[in-house]
Amino acid sequence: ETAVFQTPNYHVTQVGNEVSFNCKQTLGHDTMYWYKQDSKKLLKIMFSYNNKQLIVNETVPRRFSPQSSDKAHLNLRIKSVEPEDSAVYLCASSLGLGLNTLYFGAGTRLSVL
Amino acid sequence: GDQVEQSPSALSLHEGTDSALRCNFTTTMRSVQWFRQNSRGSLISLFYLASGTKENGRLKSAFDSKERRYSTLHIRDAQLEDSGTYFCAAEASSGSWQLIFGSGTQLTVMP
Repeated sequence: ETAVFQTPNYHVTQVGNEVSFNCKQTLGHDTMYWYKQDSKKLLKIMFSYNNKQLIVNETVPRRFSPQSSDKAHLNLRIKSVEPEDSAVYLCASSLGLGLNTLYFGAGTRLSVL
Repeated sequence: GDQVEQSPSALSLHEGTDSALRCNFTTTMRSVQWFRQNSRGSLISLFYLASGTKENGRLKSAFDSKERRYSTLHIRDAQLEDSGTYFCAAEASSGSWQLIFGSGTQLTVMP
């Protein structure tokens, strides 16, 4: 049963545009994450957000920024997309940081033309 | 940095057969999780282990409790619906909370 909801499922845009992806979890979890899955299916953490504390993977370009209104929502904004941003972006949540099962959304597939 | 080496990268099985996937860790890990990603892209959690073994139906996972340097996922009596990409993900013992994902095993179960 899905409990981490992502919108949109797909998004096609052009280089330089701004995009925003939404994520909501209904599990009552305290921590949410954004992962990027590339064309080779490799998964890399981008951000985690726990109790208003943002932890950023230092390899993530500055054009990416997470936005949270409350602990159930963590959106992802890309200010000016680049071709290498084409990927599947997966949102996840867990009860807390560390030693907890992750629950994933279905992902948002971004294509940058 | 810490790495997770997953094998095999691809696997084809006939229905009814058994197999195992493995993840080796370059350092001691606190926990390991196994996921299956279906054709729609959803990552479904199969197991979370901090030690020992867990079993759920035809799936069984083990995490080396001594050195904490590898984990396995056994599939018994493979069925068509088991097809998908399987990932392990481990949390390092060094204090970082981050999960490090393996590169995945693409499993195809054939009639």
